[in-house]
Amino acid sequence: ETGVTQSPTHLIKTRGQQVTLRCSSQSGHNTVSWYQQALGQGPQFIFQYYREEENGRGNFPPRFSGLQFPNYSSELNVNALELDDSALYLCASRRDRGLNYGYTFGSGTRLTVV
Amino acid sequence: QKEVEQDPGPLSVPEGAIVSLNCTYSNSAFQYFMWYRQYSRKGPELLMYTYSSGNKEDGRFTAQVDKSSKYISLFIRDSQPSDSATYLCAMGYRDDKIIFGKGTRLHILP
Repeated sequence: ETGVTQSPTHLIKTRGQQVTLRCSSQSGHNTVSWYQQALGQGPQFIFQYYREEENGRGNFPPRFSGLQFPNYSSELNVNALELDDSALYLCASRRDRGLNYGYTFGSGTRLTVV
Repeated sequence: QKEVEQDPGPLSVPEGAIVSLNCTYSNSAFQYFMWYRQYSRKGPELLMYTYSSGNKEDGRFTAQVDKSSKYISLFIRDSQPSDSATYLCAMGYRDDKIIFGKGTRLHILP
């Protein structure tokens, strides 16, 4: 197992632009979740994918969307970026459903919107 | 009232001391209780998890859950400078999202 890898590590975007963040999960990890962590705050749940379908979503607007691919990689897309979207975006994956405690987190992508 | 409340600290203790970190929660439907450690510029790392009231021990770490009081704790014995990090409590439902606390910044002073 090689862990969870996220890219890029840092990113600066302008308000109104679109961004795609990428995550590569461990082989066999069918469930992936994305979290947003603002400075000084705990991670906030964005959404979860299981076997390439979204099966849970937090209080985030539709401009936050995602994809999960058969090769255990996934993407988080954010359209019409706002200044408040500046945060650390974390990807977490696990092997099975119903086992929330088994998540492995990546180191995150630090997004700055100017 | 927030679902999960956690004092952000910072908390500074001398090396070797026992550290006590706490969270309260309001939703009695939570089924899983976890503690994560997060170093600067890193993602959270799972330290402890439990799904019942009582204590669970793993090395220098003890997690305690009191469902009747909606209160969870993490104790760190013989604290080391390498334990300096942000500690996040987290709670979840089966097949659902994890709700994190804000995190407590801990400094262990050599």
